[in-house]
Amino acid sequence: DAGVIQSPRHEVTEMGQEVTLRCKPISGHNSLFWYRQTMMRGLELLIYFNNNVPIDDSGMPEDRFSAKMPNASFSTLKIQPSEPRDSAVYFCASSPLGGGGNQPQHFGDGTRLSIL
Amino acid sequence: AQSVTQLGSHVSVSEGALVLLRCNYSSSVPPYLFWYVQYPNQGLQLLLKYTSAATLVKGINGFEAEFKKSETSFHLTKPSAHMSDAAEYFCAVSAGGATNKLIFGTGTLLAVQP
Repeated sequence: DAGVIQSPRHEVTEMGQEVTLRCKPISGHNSLFWYRQTMMRGLELLIYFNNNVPIDDSGMPEDRFSAKMPNASFSTLKIQPSEPRDSAVYFCASSPLGGGGNQPQHFGDGTRLSIL
Repeated sequence: AQSVTQLGSHVSVSEGALVLLRCNYSSSVPPYLFWYVQYPNQGLQLLLKYTSAATLVKGINGFEAEFKKSETSFHLTKPSAHMSDAAEYFCAVSAGGATNKLIFGTGTLLAVQP
């Protein structure tokens, strides 16, 4: 079975440019999560969706970050304009809904973003 | 609110030695608990999960964890470390309610010495 697919795997761009990260969740999973991982701050939850609807975006660092989920099989995380401090590994994860929280999340391999 | 604390950001063991990675949780409801492993340049991979069935949970790669309510702990163990176990390990607790949001610990980096 295909896991969570993220693209690109690596992105290097100059500050001020728009960056778009993409995620395809596992088919049938209704919850989708975006995380950021850095050495300094560890693993941070940015936003998550249930049934394509954003539920909690309190982890989004500022207005330069936005996320969408136009359908059940695709989500994007956009940074505009990008800054060097946005350099990190961004992970997407998905899980089935239900179970009262007993469903594990399945992670993609991440996008390593470097802003010069 | 739910939280987890991982004691020891770095743990080093010799190959063949016991691996013990500590996790304590705080939860206002019966918790669902998870251990994940992250190898370099990869995403997090589920090792095992506790969902209120057996208190001793067996996972992949020979790892297991025991849920101890009295100690609010969910420590991860493996009897004999292998070089391939070198990775970062994360403990997580379900945030509860209808969501599958997880609260992650800060991670423990396991080094295995030959």
